Amino acid sequence: NAGVMQNPRHLVRRRGQEARLRCSPMKGHSHVYWYRQLPEEGLKFMVYLQKENIIDESGMPKERFSAEFPKEGPSILRIQQVVRGDSAAYFCASSPFGTRGTDTQYFGPGTRLTVL
Amino acid sequence: KNEVEQSPQNLTAQEGEFITINCSYSVGISALHWLQQHPGGGIVSLFMLSSGKKKHGRLIATINIQEKHSSLHITASHPRDSAVYICAAHMYNNNDMRFGAGTRLTVKP
Repeated sequence: NAGVMQNPRHLVRRRGQEARLRCSPMKGHSHVYWYRQLPEEGLKFMVYLQKENIIDESGMPKERFSAEFPKEGPSILRIQQVVRGDSAAYFCASSPFGTRGTDTQYFGPGTRLTVL
Repeated sequence: KNEVEQSPQNLTAQEGEFITINCSYSVGISALHWLQQHPGGGIVSLFMLSSGKKKHGRLIATINIQEKHSSLHITASHPRDSAVYICAAHMYNNNDMRFGAGTRLTVKP
C-alpha cells in the first residue's frame, strides 16, 4: 500500500507564475489536509478536504490560494501569481475517516516551493 | 503565547540516554499528535492520543487531559532518533491543527 504521494517534490517558480501542487492520498483515504511550513517556522494548517468538498479552509490565505479534491485524481493546491513569501514546504496528509482529528494522519514527503 | 508550547527547543543526548520532550497546550483538543520530521524534511506520524498512554517500540507517549500536557519519551536513544519532534493539537470541534515549534533532538554516538 503506497503512502501519501506528493509531486513535484521540488518546484521553482518566478514571481507571478502559478504553482500547482498535487497530493495523492493513501489508498482508501478520502480525507486530505494541506499544511504549510515556512522557513524556520512551524507547520500551519491550511485546508481540509473530502472528495469533491472543501470542509474547512480557515487556514488558507484569502487570495491567490485554492484547493480541490475531485472525484477522480489527486488533490490540487493551486497558488496563483506566486510571490517570494510563498516559498515554503507544503505538506499533504490523508486519513481514512477524518472524524474531527481522532484519526491518524499520514503525511506525504512534501513539495518544496521556491519562488525566485 | 502560543497555544501549543514545546520544551526543550533543542536537546542533545548521548546514545542510550532516556529522552523526554514535553508539550503543553492551552486549547480544547480532540486529540494530540506527535510527529517526527527528519533532516530531509519528511514527516512521520508517531502517535495520536486522546487519553492515557501509548507505546511503540522505544517510543512512549502520554497525555494528561486535565493538566493539558503530553510527553514523548524515547528509551535507549540512538543516533537515528535524531530529528525534529513536533507536537500537534487537533482543535476540538473543528479541523484545525495547531503545531508546536518542534524540539530538535540530536543523539550523539
